[in-house]
Order: sequence, then C-alpha cells, then structure tokens
Amino acid sequence: AAGVIQSPRHLIKEKRETATLKCYPIPRHDTVYWYQQGPGQDPQFLISFYEKMQSDKGSIPDRFSAQQFSDYHSELNMSSLELGDSALYFCASSSRAGNEQFFGPGTRLTVL
Amino acid sequence: EDKVVQSPLSLVVHEGDTVTLNCSYEVTNFRSLLWYKQEKKAPTFLFMLTSSGIEKKSGRLSSILDKKELSSILNITATQTGDSAIYLCAFLAGGTSYGKLTFGQGTILTVHP
Repeated sequence: AAGVIQSPRHLIKEKRETATLKCYPIPRHDTVYWYQQGPGQDPQFLISFYEKMQSDKGSIPDRFSAQQFSDYHSELNMSSLELGDSALYFCASSSRAGNEQFFGPGTRLTVL
Repeated sequence: EDKVVQSPLSLVVHEGDTVTLNCSYEVTNFRSLLWYKQEKKAPTFLFMLTSSGIEKKSGRLSSILDKKELSSILNITATQTGDSAIYLCAFLAGGTSYGKLTFGQGTILTVHP
C-alpha cells in the first residue's frame, strides 16, 4: 500500500540558511500534519492543513511557514535556520481530520 | 494544559513475556486515543480508540480505553525481539484543535532473546 512520502530524507544546512521540506500524502488523503521530533523527545505538532486550508497551528516558529497545494502535497518552509531546528520532521496524513494519521519516514534536518 | 503521561518510561523483558503499557491523559476536547510503535524511523499506527471498554486487537497486541479512568492500556503477549521499540500514546483533539495529536513521552520496550 502506498505510504506518505517525504523528501529529502536528510538535509544539512548552515545557520541562517533556508530549507524546504516536502510531503506527499497517501492517495485520497486530504489532511496533512507536520510534527517536529527532537532527540529523545516525542513528536510535537507544528501545523495541519485540510483541503488546502490551514486547519490548526501548534508550536510553529514564525520563521516557518507551510502550505498545501492543489494536489494535496504540502511543503514546510524554514528560514533563518537555527541550531535548535535540528530535528526529525515528520509529515502525517489522514483521510480527513479526526481519522487515524499515518506518518511518513521523516526528514532529518541538521543545522550546522 | 493538555497532558498525556505514559508508564513505565522503560521496560526490559524476555521473549515470551507479556507486557502492559499504560497511558493516562488529562485533556479537554478529547476525541480519540491512538497508539503508535516507533522503531528507528517514523511512528507506525497501531490502534485508534474512541469508545470506552471496547478492546481492539491485532495479533499479539491489544488495547482498550477507559474514559472513566482517563486511561488506556496496550498489551503485548508472547513478546518477541521485534517488539523492541518506543510505544507512543497520543490523544486526538476535537473542538477547535481538530486532528492535532498530542503525544506522551513514550515507553521504551526492550525484549531480550
């Protein structure tokens, strides 16, 4: 069965640079969620989109923005990167908000 | 503030043992409780529990929700080394935070041969 696809899988950036993470949800899933997982921590909700509209916002820094496109894929844009942004970034999708969420493999971002 | 607490934080057992993992929550706008298994990569969905007292089962794993006690348990019988992972419990919010998952800190399960 098709799963959530994330790219890139690994990303290394310098401080103050910009990064773009991409997420392709499971086919026919219309809701996308972004989570950040620091080392040894549980995933923290960042932001979600339902039918291309932002549906909820968590602890997402103002330096980050995200959107969902007409084909339901989503991109997380991160600017002015800081060392503390180094983490695993997961995207999850569901068939609609409130259903079980399936996670992608994650993007490991390292900021040097 | 919404809170999800898991216990124990870590557990070491031998193959064949049965384990019970606990999850308790203090949340507003509860919709569902989910269990995930996380090995080295992404959390893998196990169960979603919405109704109290109804056990969900998948092979050697089972889980049940107790809304009165604001808790859930995940049971794993006849454990295998492949069950070694972090087990995450998360509550799914309703209301204005519809769809947002809030995770507990996880239980690290280690199964020795």
